[in-house]
Amino acid sequence: EPEVTQTPSHQVTQMGQEVILRCVPISNHLYFYWYRQILGQKVEFLVSFYNNEISEKSEIFDDQFSVERPDGSNFTLKIRSTKLEDSAMYFCASGSQGLGTGELFFGEGSRLTVL
Amino acid sequence: QKEVEQNSGPLSVPEGAIASLNCTYSDRGSQSFFWYRQYSGKSPELIMFIYSNGDKEDGRFTAQLNKASQYVSLLIRDSQPSDSATYLCAVLDNAGNMLTFGGGTRLMVKP
Repeated sequence: EPEVTQTPSHQVTQMGQEVILRCVPISNHLYFYWYRQILGQKVEFLVSFYNNEISEKSEIFDDQFSVERPDGSNFTLKIRSTKLEDSAMYFCASGSQGLGTGELFFGEGSRLTVL
Repeated sequence: QKEVEQNSGPLSVPEGAIASLNCTYSDRGSQSFFWYRQYSGKSPELIMFIYSNGDKEDGRFTAQLNKASQYVSLLIRDSQPSDSATYLCAVLDNAGNMLTFGGGTRLMVKP
């Protein structure tokens, strides 16, 4: 069964360092998302991406964050200068039809720990 | 600020009972509503979605929507220990671009 894959599963970094989280969405999907979940808290929307551009972003997604689909298969989230409060599980998700059906397929997540 | 509220629980029910999970939302313009299940340390997985007022059934699960009261619920019949998880309510904004999640209700089904 097709699945969304994310790497790394866990990354530990020092505050101020750049981090890139990678995702391979399901191959025929057109809509891509990043969400994050701080331990014990809500799943929070970061950004949605369609047709090679950002379609929506939340207040969390400030200038420190960027997304890219560099090669037609990978979908990356870059955090330029990590802060302690960026420590969270980051989930990539993809969908074939947008959010209308809610049929988002989530990856298993990348846990980011900022020291 | 669009809010989605859920009782954090835990909600404890015996095996075989009906579990009732509730959710309220603040954005009256919301059109689509979703229930996800999240096992500890895992990613959310979609259980079902509902657009129209009333009930929608899928196996042991029934979603109920009341847009006038801005209220959506999930009933799980014949609860099983494997249903023990956190259930996340999610609401789609009117533009269809952003899914806002509630904090989740932890369900515990006791054998």
